[in-house]
Amino acid sequence: DTAVSQTPKYLVTQMGNDKSIKCEQNLGHDTMYWYKQDSKKFLKIMFSYNNKELIINETVPNRFSPKSPDKAHLNLHINSLELGDSAVYFCASSPTSGGSNTGELFFGEGSRLTVL
Amino acid sequence: GEDVEQSLFLSVREGDSSVINCTYTDSSSTYLYWYKQEPGAGLQLLTYIFSNMDMKQDQRLTVLLNKKDKHLSLRIADTQTGDSAIYFCAERTGTASKLTFGTGTRLQVTL
Repeated sequence: DTAVSQTPKYLVTQMGNDKSIKCEQNLGHDTMYWYKQDSKKFLKIMFSYNNKELIINETVPNRFSPKSPDKAHLNLHINSLELGDSAVYFCASSPTSGGSNTGELFFGEGSRLTVL
Repeated sequence: GEDVEQSLFLSVREGDSSVINCTYTDSSSTYLYWYKQEPGAGLQLLTYIFSNMDMKQDQRLTVLLNKKDKHLSLRIADTQTGDSAIYFCAERTGTASKLTFGTGTRLQVTL
């Protein structure tokens, strides 16, 4: 009964390839996110969607394209992969409606991307 | 700005208390959080504090917030080997959906 699940867990690919990471949450949350964690464990937000609408789009190369087919899914497609894209990508979700929204994020287990 | 800083590493003996510190720069933070990341896993929320509170206690965890100094700390009493992990503080400001994470503190618990 995984709350936030990501696939694949590991991804090894060559420079220049295109790859996708998928995320699904069964918590009924309205908002989903992609975070990138680099080799120094620094965690930075990339995108956020609320009810399929893009609400946060940080300074991320346009090779990265998120897509939310419905509020339970948020996928990340990366074109023309570069060495610097190697990182762990975390999907997360949060409830946003209601007066007691504490902003808590629920994270997936991460997708480790290695670009060779 | 949205810089959240933490010391990189802390080592404590089992049974001792651990104190992990965090400083932030955005005075409009509404909620502040502590997350724990174990090896190969995602982040899990440990506790949070609303910005109008000074302290929050939850079993072995005590969170202290000094808004004047923009300083947040997490004290873990009777630290156990299972507490070994990376601890991240995070702040929520502006857009309700956006959290800014600190640099993470790796806690090592020795026997």
